[in-house]
Formats: sequence, C-alpha cells, structure tokens
Amino acid sequence: AQSVAQPEDQVNVAEGNPLTVKCTYSVSGNPYLFWYVQYPNRGLQFLLKYITGDNLVKGSYGFEAEFNKSQTSFHLKKPSALVSDSALYFCAVRDGTSNTGKLIFGQGTTLQVKP
Amino acid sequence: NAGVTQTPKFQVLKTGQSMTLQCAQDMNHEYMSWYRQDPGMGLRLIHYSVGAGITDQGEVPNGYNVSRSTTEDFPLRLLSAAPSQTSVYFCASSYSEGLGNTIYFGEGSWLTVV
Repeated sequence: AQSVAQPEDQVNVAEGNPLTVKCTYSVSGNPYLFWYVQYPNRGLQFLLKYITGDNLVKGSYGFEAEFNKSQTSFHLKKPSALVSDSALYFCAVRDGTSNTGKLIFGQGTTLQVKP
Repeated sequence: NAGVTQTPKFQVLKTGQSMTLQCAQDMNHEYMSWYRQDPGMGLRLIHYSVGAGITDQGEVPNGYNVSRSTTEDFPLRLLSAAPSQTSVYFCASSYSEGLGNTIYFGEGSWLTVV
C-alpha cells in the first residue's frame, strides 16, 4: 500500500534559522510527491511538487524540497524561517494504485517559528 | 483569480437535516474531488469526478451524494446529517486525474452536526 509518513508532530525553530520538515514515502512505481501548507481555518495551499528531474525542487514562499530516492524521503526545507511560516504542513503522494487520483497525506507537522 | 470556491464556510446542522456544500472552480479542470479532514485521521477522499457527468466513490462515501452536471460545479450533498459527519470539508480540483497534476484546494467548509 502507498503511504506517507511525517515522523514529527511538531518542529520548533527560531526565526532566521534554517528549517526542515521531514517526510518519507512508500510507493509502488514512480512517486509523485507534494507539499501543502495549511494556516488556521484556511484551506491547503500548494507549495511544491516532485514529478521527475532535479532532486531539489523549489516552490512558493522560499521553500524547497529534496527528493532522495535511496532514502525514500522528500524533506521540506527553508534556509531562513519566518514567524509567518508557522502553520501545519502536509506531505502527500498521488495514489497510483487506484483510479481515484487521490492524494494520500501524511498526518501533518506543525511548524512553530519563534521570534 | 478565484480558483476553487466553496460555500458556506461555516454551518451548523441538526441531526437528520440535509444540506448541500457548493463547490465551483474557474480553471477548466476536469478532475474534482471532495475530502474530509478529521483530527487523527488526516484527509480522506469522499467522492471524485473525472469530468462532467462522471462521478465515483472515494474512501468514505457513505452518507454523501455528488453530481457533476457542469465542468465548473461539484456539489456535495448530505442527505440526513449525522454527528459523525461533523468535520471540515475541502473541495479540490486538478487539470486531470493524471498523477503529476497539482491538486488545488478550496478554503474549506466547517460543518457541525448537533
């Protein structure tokens, strides 16, 4: 079965420091990986995706993610965190084993950036 | 630049009442879907559609109906609301069901059934 794991419920960083939000995946076939961010009482906003090509993917708001096939990971990173980055982050993979086209989500990681 | 628009944002229903959550997208996307988000359960697919006139069930379809009469609209109907349907509902769309296509989400509908 295809799955996504986010091993940390919460990540705390100081403003200006680099941040990493971890994600590992298990899929059959090629992985189609996505990161979304959710602010309180808001919808999910697309940040970036990996389809194929370069292992380092750049996305919105200065975020990037590194795809590592050997470690089956897709960690989200940002060189310098902002307080406004504090939110709930979801890693997801598009389900290639069914015909639903659905996203399979991790449980989410809350990022707290402190001034 | 509307994207995916959902209404209402907040709703309180009594058990047994019916209602429709509206969803519209202006990106000419063929694929549309509904998810529910629950604490500890993540987001789960309720129903989806790959084009006008075509709908199918997702993981948790019981208690919900959908229709897709136009490319733009994909309403979700609760026929007889139950407390177990208290949740946050997200409508989403993408160009197609192709795995590389980005899925874009609406702002969500917070539903409480009492």
